[in-house]
Amino acid sequence: QTVVTQEPSFSVSPGGTVTLTCGLSSGSVSTSYFPSWYQQTPGQAPRTLIYSTNTRSSGVPDRFSGSILGNKAALTITGAQADDESDYYCVLFMGSGTVVFGGGTKLTVL
Amino acid sequence: EVQLVQSGAEVKKPGESLRISCKGSGYIFTSYWINWVRQMPGKGLEWMGKIDPSDSYTDYSPSFQGHVTISADKSVSTAYLQWSSLKASDTAIYYCATLSATVTVPHYWGQGTLVTVSS
Repeated sequence: QTVVTQEPSFSVSPGGTVTLTCGLSSGSVSTSYFPSWYQQTPGQAPRTLIYSTNTRSSGVPDRFSGSILGNKAALTITGAQADDESDYYCVLFMGSGTVVFGGGTKLTVL
Repeated sequence: EVQLVQSGAEVKKPGESLRISCKGSGYIFTSYWINWVRQMPGKGLEWMGKIDPSDSYTDYSPSFQGHVTISADKSVSTAYLQWSSLKASDTAIYYCATLSATVTVPHYWGQGTLVTVSS
C-alpha cells in the first residue's frame, strides 16, 4: 500500500523560513500526483493552502508556496508567523483514482 | 461563494445506521467531485472515497470499501456518507471536500460532522 511521508514535527523561529516535504515510500513525487497542502488548527476544518503543486488557494498569503524539490513535494513558508503554528497535511492523487494523505507535520513557531 | 455545508453532529449506538450529508452551493454541483475524509480523535486526515455527482460514479479507499457507502442526489446538490451498522471505531469527524487532480478545481472543505458512536 502506498505510504505518503511527512516529517512528524518541525519548528521554525518567527520570521524564519521552513520547508515541509511530502514523499512516497516508494518512488518520487512529481506534478503528476497534483500534490496539495492543507493547514489545520485544533478544532477547525482543514484550510487549503496549495493545490496542484503550486497553485495558491484564494486568500492564501504569498509567503506560502508549493514546489517539487528533488523527489518530493514541498511547502515553503517564508517569514513564519505565530499563527502559522498548525498541523500541515499533504495529499497525493494516485493514477488509480485514489487519494492518499500524508500523516501530517506539526509545525511549532518559537 | 462556494460553500459545502454539512449536517449536524450525531450521537449513535453501535449497530445503528446513519447517513450524513454535504450540500454544495455557489457552483454547479455536478462540476466537482465530492470527497469524504475521516479524522479520528487526535489523528490525521484519511481519504475515504469520492463521488462524481454528475453520474454517481464512486472510488473508495481500500480501507473503507464495503464499510461505508457514498452517494449523491444532484437534484438537491447534496452528497451523502452512510453506514449500515456503526461501530465505536467510527467515532470521528467527517469532512467533505472538493479535492481534485486538476489545476482548475479549487479544493473547498465542509465544516465537518462529528459522529460519536457509544453504547
